[in-house]
Amino acid sequence: EADIYQTPRYLVIGTGKKITLECSQTMGHDKMYWYQQDPGMELHLIHYSYGVNSTEKGDLSSESTVSRIRTEHFPLTLESARPSHTSQYLCASSEGAGAGELFFGEGSRLTVL
Amino acid sequence: GENVEQHPSTLSVQEGDSAVIKCTYSDSASNYFPWYKQELGKGPQLIIDIRSNVGEKKDQRIAVTLNKTAKHFSLHITETQPEDSAVYFCAASDQGAQKLVFGQGTRLTINP
Repeated sequence: EADIYQTPRYLVIGTGKKITLECSQTMGHDKMYWYQQDPGMELHLIHYSYGVNSTEKGDLSSESTVSRIRTEHFPLTLESARPSHTSQYLCASSEGAGAGELFFGEGSRLTVL
Repeated sequence: GENVEQHPSTLSVQEGDSAVIKCTYSDSASNYFPWYKQELGKGPQLIIDIRSNVGEKKDQRIAVTLNKTAKHFSLHITETQPEDSAVYFCAASDQGAQKLVFGQGTRLTINP
């Protein structure tokens, strides 16, 4: 069982609100990722981090921002949510150099009205 | 950059039959090819992976084959069971990139 946790699991909010999706892992992994999963199933990388104070934008442009102040914590923030932000957001982590196994959280399903 | 194509997008098989999902990749430098299974309401979970120095790997009822020359790899599930129903993703990466590029996903349904 992977030790990576996302909160909230479900969130319904109104347009214009600021939201933060939390992601924490207890495995000591240096690398963490945020994926956006659309209803068509595809996984799109929106942010990643290779360590504390390191963040990069992913392959899919996103209006969200991330921070990595502690190894175990990688929150994602939307300053002003819009209906187009409605989606499933998945956090993941991995260890070691190079490509390796990703451990995913169970996801945060965001609905913006 | 790497591009991964996955087919079919949906697959329905009778319980006990075999299921095959295929992926192609574009970057010849890619050398790591994992497969993930995503059950309803959960995040994807690694079920098997293969590196470019081998052509086939098997773990009980699942197997993965890799053809580096043709740049394609496949997931084979034999003796399918209802609990195999899920969405399956292939992915590819090279060691330098440290990022996985995922295929579009296949929704597999096992009919009793």
